[in-house]
Amino acid sequence: EDQVTQSPEALRLQEGESSSLNCSYTVSGLRGLFWYRQDPGKGPEFLFTLYSAGEEKEKERLKATLTKKESFLHITAPKPEDSATYLCAVQASDSWGKFQFGAGTQVVVTP
Amino acid sequence: SAVISQKPSRDICQRGTSLTIQCQVDSQVTMMFWYRQQPGQSLTLIATANQGSEATYESGFVIDKFPISRPNLTFSTLTVSNMSPEDSSIYLCSVDQAFFGQGTRLTVV
Repeated sequence: EDQVTQSPEALRLQEGESSSLNCSYTVSGLRGLFWYRQDPGKGPEFLFTLYSAGEEKEKERLKATLTKKESFLHITAPKPEDSATYLCAVQASDSWGKFQFGAGTQVVVTP
Repeated sequence: SAVISQKPSRDICQRGTSLTIQCQVDSQVTMMFWYRQQPGQSLTLIATANQGSEATYESGFVIDKFPISRPNLTFSTLTVSNMSPEDSSIYLCSVDQAFFGQGTRLTVV
């Protein structure tokens, strides 16, 4: 059965203090790994899709990387507006359209 | 990118009643997805809705409890039937898995 585990559950950072979030996954064959940001009371906002080990993508202060077993979301010099819950999800190659979501990492960045 | 409008944004309902949630997309899409997000938890897929065919439900979700309509390529509804407090959640629709509506926060009392 496909599984997605995110760590840590919660992360408190000082503004400017870089850190990484982890998403480890078990899937029969990976079609894609997705990262989202979710603010309280809102739907998830798409950030990145990664398809193969070694792939990296960047957007502003965020950088996502992928290996065969896990993905990292690096937050460089975070600002308070980066505070949110970050979700990852995997799509298996034999289940098009079906995503397995992790529980998320709640990030709080303080000034 | 797709723009998804979901209605209502929130509601408080009496147990035993039903609520229909609407999802409107600004472009034609083949597949639409309905998710549930229980308090403090991540997203769980309820069903996949294709236009012109019956929705496909995930394990633990049944059509009698969560009937879905998909009358055209830009619109879908999810009904939460015979509600109980355990149905209190955020319900989200999604297209292409990358785009989500803002969600419907449902509280059953």
